[in-house]
Amino acid sequence: AQSVTQLDSHVSVSEGTPVLLRCNYSSSYSPSLFWYVQHPNKGLQLLLKYTSAATLVKGINGFEAEFKKSETSFHLTKPSAHMSDAAEYFCVVSDMASNTGKLIFGQGTTLQVKP
Amino acid sequence: GAVVSQHPSWVICKSGTSVKIECRSLDFQATTMFWYRQFPKKSLMLMATSNEGSKATYEQGVEKDKFLINHASLTLSTLTVTSAHPEDSSFYICSGQPGTWGEQYFGPGTRLTVT
Repeated sequence: AQSVTQLDSHVSVSEGTPVLLRCNYSSSYSPSLFWYVQHPNKGLQLLLKYTSAATLVKGINGFEAEFKKSETSFHLTKPSAHMSDAAEYFCVVSDMASNTGKLIFGQGTTLQVKP
Repeated sequence: GAVVSQHPSWVICKSGTSVKIECRSLDFQATTMFWYRQFPKKSLMLMATSNEGSKATYEQGVEKDKFLINHASLTLSTLTVTSAHPEDSSFYICSGQPGTWGEQYFGPGTRLTVT
C-alpha cells in the first residue's frame, strides 16, 4: 500500500531562517510526489511535483524538494522563510495502485513563521 | 493556468434543506474531478471521484444518496448536499485533474454551515 507520513505536525521558524518540512513515503511503484500549500480558509496550491525526472525539484516561492529513494523521503526546504509562508503544507503521493488518479495525503504540517 | 473555481464560497442553510456547490475548471478540461471534505485542522478526506458522463465513485462511508454528484461536462461538476444537517457543516473542496493521473488543481473551497 502507498502512504505518506509527515514527520512533524507543527514547525516553527523565525523569519529569514531555513525551512525544513519532512515527508517519508511508502510505495511499491515509482512514485509521483507532490507538495501542496493551504493558507487559512483557502484551497490547495501546488508547490512542486516529482515525477521521476530530476531528483531535486524546484517549485514556486523559493521552495524545493529532493527525492531520495534510498531514504524514501521527499523533504521540502526553503533557504529563508518569509512571513507569508505561514500555512499548512501537505505531502501527497499519487495512488498508483488504484489506477484512479486519486491522491493520498499526509496529515499536514503547520508552518509558523515568527517575526 | 490550471484554475478551478467553486461557487458559492460560503453558504448558510437551514437543517433539512439542500445545497448545491459548483466546481468549474476554467482553463483546462478535467477528465476527472474529485470532491473532498476537510474538518478543522485536519487533512483532506476524499468523498468521491467523478468522471464526465458517468456515475461518481464514492469512498467507503460516504452516503451517495446524501451527497449527490453530477459531472455534466469536462469543466463542471456539482455536489448537492441533500437534507442537510448540522453535522454536514464543513469545508468542501473540489479538484480537477487534466489527465488520468497526476497532479490535481484545487478550488478555493466552500464553507457550508447548517443551522
